[in-house]
Amino acid sequence: DADVTQTPRNRITKTGKRIMLECSQTKGHDRMYWYRQDPGLGLRLIYYSFDVKDINKGEISDGYSVSRQAQAKFSLSLESAIPNQTALYFCATSESDNFYEQYFGPGTRLTVT
Amino acid sequence: KNEVEQSPQNLTAQEGEFITINCSYSVGISALHWPQQHPGGGIVSLFMLSSGKKKHGRLIATINIQEKHSSLHITASHPRDSAVYICAVFNPPRLTFGEGTQLTVNP
Repeated sequence: DADVTQTPRNRITKTGKRIMLECSQTKGHDRMYWYRQDPGLGLRLIYYSFDVKDINKGEISDGYSVSRQAQAKFSLSLESAIPNQTALYFCATSESDNFYEQYFGPGTRLTVT
Repeated sequence: KNEVEQSPQNLTAQEGEFITINCSYSVGISALHWPQQHPGGGIVSLFMLSSGKKKHGRLIATINIQEKHSSLHITASHPRDSAVYICAVFNPPRLTFGEGTQLTVNP
């Protein structure tokens, strides 16, 4: 079984809808991250969490919110989806003392029409 | 200017060729990460290094901290090496990613 899982893997939604992307990990890592990937822009950090009580904004947090329900679960929400949020979204985890080596989930392809 | 620049952006090679992908960065870093993104989108970690050189099978990664440059080499390339290779630098508290190099190895 994969160590980092994401659901759903693909989602098509309409403008204005609320969407939640979920990430679960069995690696026992404290740190979790949400990234989006757009063609030609590389991966950009949306939010990160160093433990259940610690949530931090990344480079592009506007329009997104997160929830760290447990050490193993980190959810990303789009409160009112817009077309320019169409992207590939990745969740990642890392250990507290080796936080630059990140382990990625399989990605969620989100399309907002 | 991006903090992390990779070259080339696209690379096509014949099976068996020696491949080099370059990464230059403009910020101080603690470490550098080379993830690989498969055609299906999944990302796996190849190397994490903060100095010198690391080797894993046919892959070699080097870093020169003074010159702010890293290279990823693939010896005896194979079509299954076709993927996007991403350079990411750790500038606490986050990783900053390059745009990636699309490698295609033809049989």
